[in-house]
Amino acid sequence: DVKVTQSSRYLVKRTGEKVFLECVQDMDHENMFWYRQDPGLGLRLIYFSYDVKMKEKGDIPEGYSVSREKKERFSLILESASTNQTSMYLCASSFGAGGNQPQHFGDGTRLSIL
Amino acid sequence: DAKTTQPNSMESNEEEPVHLPCNHSTISGTDYIHWYRQLPSQGPEYVIHGLTSNVNNRMASLAIAEDRKSSTLILHRATLRDAAVYYCILSMDSSYKLIFGSGTRLLVRP
Repeated sequence: DVKVTQSSRYLVKRTGEKVFLECVQDMDHENMFWYRQDPGLGLRLIYFSYDVKMKEKGDIPEGYSVSREKKERFSLILESASTNQTSMYLCASSFGAGGNQPQHFGDGTRLSIL
Repeated sequence: DAKTTQPNSMESNEEEPVHLPCNHSTISGTDYIHWYRQLPSQGPEYVIHGLTSNVNNRMASLAIAEDRKSSTLILHRATLRDAAVYYCILSMDSSYKLIFGSGTRLLVRP
């Protein structure tokens, strides 16, 4: 089975801090994704990567950046955390080219910005 | 982006079959139909997907209407562990984006 591991289940940070969320997958998937999930808004795509060092903006990239130096690892960076970035963050990965491959998700990081 | 419509909630009895409907009347010829579910305090879990033909796997079956404007996820024997929010999603091969709607919350009664 595919395993997508997010480094923390819960995280509390302060406004203005630089925050790193880490995600690792063990199935040699080409594609990796970062979403956030908020009540009433569903899951929204922040960034995705289809190859090492490649990235594409999703629907809500403002205030975030990403890094993919190795195939198995995809990091989400909050450059200067703000309270409106309090959310559940979900990482996912998928195999191959194209959008029709299933995405496999981690269990999420619940991030609180105080 | 093509849109899906699902009932907000459904109830089922344990060990009975469950049919979760999804309408997608604006589906295009190359859109795949995906189903995911999300258990409390977990990330979404892939269930099944298909294009035109009905599909079966160890978790569920997917029945796709002949005109592809609707589909049904079938859980053959519901268990308490199947209580979750079920999302029906359309995907395009040209886009990596999955658009999650509000889904159907399934309650399973013992």
